[in-house]
Amino acid sequence: ETGVTQTPRHLVMGMTNKKSLKCEQHLGHNAMYWYKQSAKKPLELMFVYSLEERVENNSVPSRFSPECPNSSHLFLHLHTLQPEDSALYLCASSQGRDRGADEQFFGPGTRLTVL
Amino acid sequence: GQNIDQPTEMTATEGAIVQINCTYQTSGFNGLFWYQQHAGEAPTFLSYNVLDGLEEKGRFSSFLSRSKGYSYLLLKELQMKDSASYLCAVLDSNYQLIWGAGTKLIIKP
Repeated sequence: ETGVTQTPRHLVMGMTNKKSLKCEQHLGHNAMYWYKQSAKKPLELMFVYSLEERVENNSVPSRFSPECPNSSHLFLHLHTLQPEDSALYLCASSQGRDRGADEQFFGPGTRLTVL
Repeated sequence: GQNIDQPTEMTATEGAIVQINCTYQTSGFNGLFWYQQHAGEAPTFLSYNVLDGLEEKGRFSSFLSRSKGYSYLLLKELQMKDSASYLCAVLDSNYQLIWGAGTKLIIKP
């Protein structure tokens, strides 16, 4: 495996379900990101981890809970989501140098549908 | 507030040249990125500008004017595979990346 991988690629869940999204990077990077991408809207940064420490949380509802057990893995735990949370969830990683002025490598995303 | 503006959609002809503009109003500036995103795929890095001027990379070039809060991405010798969305993003004074909504580029034969 190379680059950034995400599983599952597609997820349909009810509002009372609990599910988790997984991201893994094979690039030796130190920073990892969760983004939400809705149609015709800008990418929304949700969480940033640097060296396994959460450095940013952009006012994301508590029904989204990130976890970074090590520098290669990132999870997004989902609980009691709303239909408006349906979107493409993208994971990205970067070397973490230059305070963000380095390119980010994205995974293919998880297409989430909340019924 | 912080704002990134780019056209929603553009159409161009195979073999031609197209310029995708991006204007920004952000709290500070630490660089501007362009990413390409094909439908159903991950965004991929195209360019990063932090100083004024033109950066050329093969068929793609990116221009920045910090005084005008303006950038453009220039694509030459367009190919059908260039059909994609092009995302502009600015790194603000807090080193937070602010994204535009993207420009969908449609290439016609």
